[in-house]
Amino acid sequence: DTAVSQTPKYLVTQMGNDKSIKCEQNLGHDTMYWYKQDSKKFLKIMFSYNNKELIINETVPNRFSPKSPDKAHLNLHINSLELGDSAVYFCASSQEPSGSGEQYFGPGTRLTVT
Amino acid sequence: GNSVTQMEGPVTLSEEAFLTINCTYTATGYPSLFWYVQYPGEGLQLLLKATKADDKGSNKGFEATYRKETTSFHLEKGSVQVSDSAVYFCALSDQGNQGGKLIFGQGTELSVKP
Repeated sequence: DTAVSQTPKYLVTQMGNDKSIKCEQNLGHDTMYWYKQDSKKFLKIMFSYNNKELIINETVPNRFSPKSPDKAHLNLHINSLELGDSAVYFCASSQEPSGSGEQYFGPGTRLTVT
Repeated sequence: GNSVTQMEGPVTLSEEAFLTINCTYTATGYPSLFWYVQYPGEGLQLLLKATKADDKGSNKGFEATYRKETTSFHLEKGSVQVSDSAVYFCALSDQGNQGGKLIFGQGTELSVKP
């Protein structure tokens, strides 16, 4: 059983399009995250949700809108895609929102904007 | 703000060589410290962690000690294997008012040759 899953694994699209990435965790965790990994492997948090409530929004452009329909899911919708959005996006979850516990990562979604 | 700095890669070693990857941090308060590993094409996995000064985290032959006096959390392994080839990330927990997040170093790519 996959603990944190993401779909799709690869996403190739053109500038200006709107796309979504889905994330599901079956660990029973209350907190979920989205991270962006750039071409140099640098990882930066984008959002954090605790029990369906947004708790961290790291000055991400408002073209990015996370949605959490329930505790097990955190989706990421991106409007008007730009070349600079090309990256690998990782979903993660943790038992607690404090950041001091282990986070479990999904396999990543490689987004390529052409 | 809080930050993590790792030694730059790539690091190339022969099998059975000794590994050290340096990590230093800047933080207010007392963060937890982590090493995550990313194998090619996969998400991140927790390798080890330490939650307070002088704690030693260890797993799969890897070790790191939380040194508050030098603000360091260097990763070591006595004898690396080809299967250890991966990207290693040092991270700290950053606890804000409403929730925590991980702040990552830039990652260090390790390549182990037979």
